[in-house]
Amino acid sequence: KAGVTQTPRYLIKTRGQQVTLSCSPISGHRSVSWYQQTPGQGLQFLFEYFSETQRNKGNFPGRFSGRQFSNSRSEMNVSTLELGDSALYLCASSLARDRGQSYNEQFFGPGTRLTVL
Amino acid sequence: DAKTTQPTSMDCAEGRAANLPCNHSTISGNEYVYWYRQIHSQGPQYIIHGLKNNETNEMASLIITEDRKSSTLILPHATLRDTAVYYCIVRQYSGGGADGLTFGKGTHLIIQP
Repeated sequence: KAGVTQTPRYLIKTRGQQVTLSCSPISGHRSVSWYQQTPGQGLQFLFEYFSETQRNKGNFPGRFSGRQFSNSRSEMNVSTLELGDSALYLCASSLARDRGQSYNEQFFGPGTRLTVL
Repeated sequence: DAKTTQPTSMDCAEGRAANLPCNHSTISGNEYVYWYRQIHSQGPQYIIHGLKNNETNEMASLIITEDRKSSTLILPHATLRDTAVYYCIVRQYSGGGADGLTFGKGTHLIIQP
């Protein structure tokens, strides 16, 4: 079974631009979560989508948004990029979130490394 | 999620068992212990989880003390590829409440040849 895939793997943008990152979960996984990882703050939860609905959101400004499609693929968007948005953005999928099944067993993709100049 | 405490770093010789401790003294009765690891520049990888019984899978063993206030992840025959940051996470099985896994600083395990 193919793992979680993320595109692109590397991205360079300049301040003020916007960026869209894509994530394809493991087949059959309906929950997709996004995380940001920086050397200073470590791994931080951005948001989670399940059945095209955002279920929870971490403590990030509104410039960070996302969506999920009917095939469970997800995208996240960052608008008006700032230097501090340079990070590794990780997507993780899990089998289900409702009925308490396996949400905590998350399968991560390789990440998209975003550099903002 | 209950707070966890892990050593910042550990060394282990290749071929030996690596024992990674985690303290979670405030764990509640319905919270599980999860372990993840992150090899440099890759996404985290789920390893194992448990409630109160010891657990074993193809990657590792998880030993949870009887009072559940601490646990140990055991990699039975460490290889150089096990060099990674290991995260101990304690949370309810369903992830109820604030969601998203909370990764602390973890333990940087270095396997020495």
